This record gives sequence, C-alpha cells and structure tokens, in this order.
Amino acid sequence: QLVLTQSPSASASLGASVKLTCTLSSGHKFYAIAWYQQQPQKGPRFLMKVNYDGSHNKGDGIPDRFSGSSSGADRSLTISSLQSEDEADYYCQTWGTGLDVAFGTGTTLTVL
Amino acid sequence: EVQLVESGGGLGNPGGSLRLSCAASGFTFSLYSMNWVRQAPGKGLEWVSSINGDSGDIYYEDSVKGRFTISRDNAKNSLYLQMDSLRAEDTAVYYCARDAIAGGITNYFDYWGQGALVTVSS
Repeated sequence: QLVLTQSPSASASLGASVKLTCTLSSGHKFYAIAWYQQQPQKGPRFLMKVNYDGSHNKGDGIPDRFSGSSSGADRSLTISSLQSEDEADYYCQTWGTGLDVAFGTGTTLTVL
Repeated sequence: EVQLVESGGGLGNPGGSLRLSCAASGFTFSLYSMNWVRQAPGKGLEWVSSINGDSGDIYYEDSVKGRFTISRDNAKNSLYLQMDSLRAEDTAVYYCARDAIAGGITNYFDYWGQGALVTVSS
C-alpha cells in the first residue's frame, strides 16, 4: 500500500533553515513525490516535484529558498532564510500505477 | 495567469445532491487533465476524482465511486463534480486542481483553486 509519512509539526526561527521530510512506504522508494504548501484558509500551492535521484522541478514563482532532495525512501523539502509567510501546512503526495494517489498527513511549520 | 475558481458549494442533505463547478482560465483547458481534491475540516488532503482532456479516462476514489460524477465542458473551460447520495463524511472543502503536465494524467497538481465548502447535514 502506498503510504507517505510526515512528522505532524516542525518549528524554526525566522531567518533560519528547516528541513521537512516525507518517507515513502516499503517497496516504493523509487517513487517521485510532490510538495505543496497550504497557508491558513487558502488552497494548496504546488512547490515542486522531487524525483528519487533528488532532482526536482519547481512550480511557477517558487523562490530559490525552497529546495528538494532525496535519500533512499525519504524525500525532503528544505526552506532557507525562513520568513513569516512560510508558516503553513506542508503536504507531500505521490502516485502509483492507475490512479493510486496518496497524500501525506501534513507537517505544520511554525516560524518562531 | 492560470486561474481556477470553484462554485456551487453549500449545504446539502444526507442522501441529497450538489453540483460543483470550476471555471478555468489562463491556459488551454482541453490539453490538461483535471482533478477534484477534498479536505475535511481540520484534516488533510484527499484525492477524489480525475478526468483527462477528452473525457476518455475518468477515475474515482473508492468511497465516491457510484455516487459522484466528474465531467468537463472544454468549450466552456469548465470542470464539474455532480455529487449524489451525499453522506456526512463528504463534508469538506473541494478543490479543483490542474494536472502538472499537459497531455496525460500525471497525478500531481500544479494549480489549485481556492476551494468550495460542501456541508452535508440535516
């Protein structure tokens, strides 16, 4: 079964960096994932697709402060120079054959 | 600029029906697969349904299969979700989302609308 695991919460100080991780379930470590940001009371915003080799393709207008990486079954999103507007929920998502679409449960990022 | 604007949400009775619409602009609508994704209050995201550009490929999440119908009108740049036999657990904000790459079903989504709230309650 295609499952993504995310920590429920993370926090970091203004101006610092934070790394959010999404772990693919056993047997799915070569899958690509997508990262989304959801600010309060808004629709999700596509940040990037991260492939198993760590290469990533960002969405339109996504700042260079956002980057992606991969290690084994882990797909990560790093946000540097944290700003107050980065405080949001972050979801990862993957997909399999057919329409096997799975979202992670999300990480709430607090900027201190 | 790509824009997706949902409408048609509101209060529906258990067992009743509602129809959501999504008006698309800023891109060649017919080239992209489109999707509905929902989010129950305080919960995470859940994919609901997908339709490809010519409506030839349609998919549903198991819990809505046989109750929801996705469709599109490429002449009107519009996506629809007909929701029948509504249940309390269908209560959610429903987002319209565009597939990231034109031409097929890619299963990840690069533009999202602001959402339409559907509340199922008597």
